Order: sequence, then structure tokens, then C-alpha cells
Amino acid sequence: QQPVQSPQAVILREGEDAVINCSSSKALYSVHWYRQKHGEAPVFLMILLKGGEQKGHDKISASFNEKKQQSSLYLTASQLSYSGTYFCGTSTNTGNQFYFGTGTSLTVIP
Amino acid sequence: DAGVIQSPRHEVTEMGQEVTLRCKPISGHNSLFWYRQTMMRGLELLIYFNNNVPIDDSGMPEDRFSAKMPNASFSTLKIQPSEPRDSAVYFCASSPQQGYGYTFGSGTRLTVV
Repeated sequence: QQPVQSPQAVILREGEDAVINCSSSKALYSVHWYRQKHGEAPVFLMILLKGGEQKGHDKISASFNEKKQQSSLYLTASQLSYSGTYFCGTSTNTGNQFYFGTGTSLTVIP
Repeated sequence: DAGVIQSPRHEVTEMGQEVTLRCKPISGHNSLFWYRQTMMRGLELLIYFNNNVPIDDSGMPEDRFSAKMPNASFSTLKIQPSEPRDSAVYFCASSPQQGYGYTFGSGTRLTVV
């Protein structure tokens, strides 16, 4: 049930944009996005529910395409603080348990 | 709000010993989750409780692993006997209900030698 994330790693210069994709082989009910910095716990960014909505959070936004069974996270005008590993978590039913992808390592350099 | 509290932060134990990890979820959160994180397998869901009742334990690796939630404010994950391949960071997370994100604890880094 683990979703697949791409790319596995990306390096950006400050101010550049990035897109992280998350796809599932099963129909999705909802998607979570988290960021984890080295040695710390994952921190919740946003949740997207079935319905194809898009959400924004400062310069980080996400979309959810239930027909394609995928979600994308958009980071705009990246800052050094955006560095970390990004995880998507997916749920295929109305239950509250989520299965996480393998993560995307994002490094922002000056 | 103190967040999700896990203890201990670090545990080093010898193969064959019993290990107990503890978690206190955020007050009012109905759902509690135990995850294991390794470089090879990423974040794996071990077990999910809702209102103190185990709902999904399909991720528990084998009979050596057990989890309990005797009340709304406490949960344990026990490994008996421990093996070197159990070495990982174990996270506890809680959530108020469906439709909300998880709050993770700081994790317990377990090393079995």
C-alpha cells in the first residue's frame, strides 16, 4: 500500500521552484504531506481529501488528482528552511491510517 | 500543549532482551499510531488504535512485537525478544480524528547489539 514518490532527491538554489509527486496503484481517499528534517520527527504540512482539491500554505501548495491516483507538492521560490525530506502519506479508505512513501530529499543551497 | 511524548529517546539493548517503548498522545486525540523508520524501508505503519482499540495491526512484523493502549493517555510497544534487525527509530503519532494531520513524537532510537 506504500505510495511511490518522485524524484528521490532534488537540489535547488534559493528562489527556484520544485515539484514532488506521489502516486498510488490504488484509489486514494486522502493524502497527507509532511516534512522531516534530519534527526527530527516528521511535521505535518497539509491534508487533501477526495474531491480533487488544491491547498496552499505560504509558498507551499499541493494538488490531489483522484482519477490519476496521485498528488503533487509544489514549492515556490524555495528558501533554505525548505531543506528536508518530504513524505506523502496516503489512505485508500475512510479509516485514519496512512501509509507513507519512501520520501524525497530536498536540499536548498544559497 | 506538550505534544506527543515518547520515552526513552534512546535505547541500547542486547539481543534477546525485552524492550518497552512508551507514548503519551496529545490529550483529546482519538487516534494513535506506531511507526518504524529505517533507511531501507522508510516509515512503516506498525499499528493503529482508535479510541484505545487496535484497528489495524497488519504492519506488526511478527509475534515478537506487541502493542497496548490501556487508556486514552498511554500506549506501549514491546519487543520480546529483541533482535539486531529491530534497530530503527520508532515514532508514535496521534490525531484528533479523520481529516486531520498527525502530530509525531520525537521518536525512540533503538539499537539492538
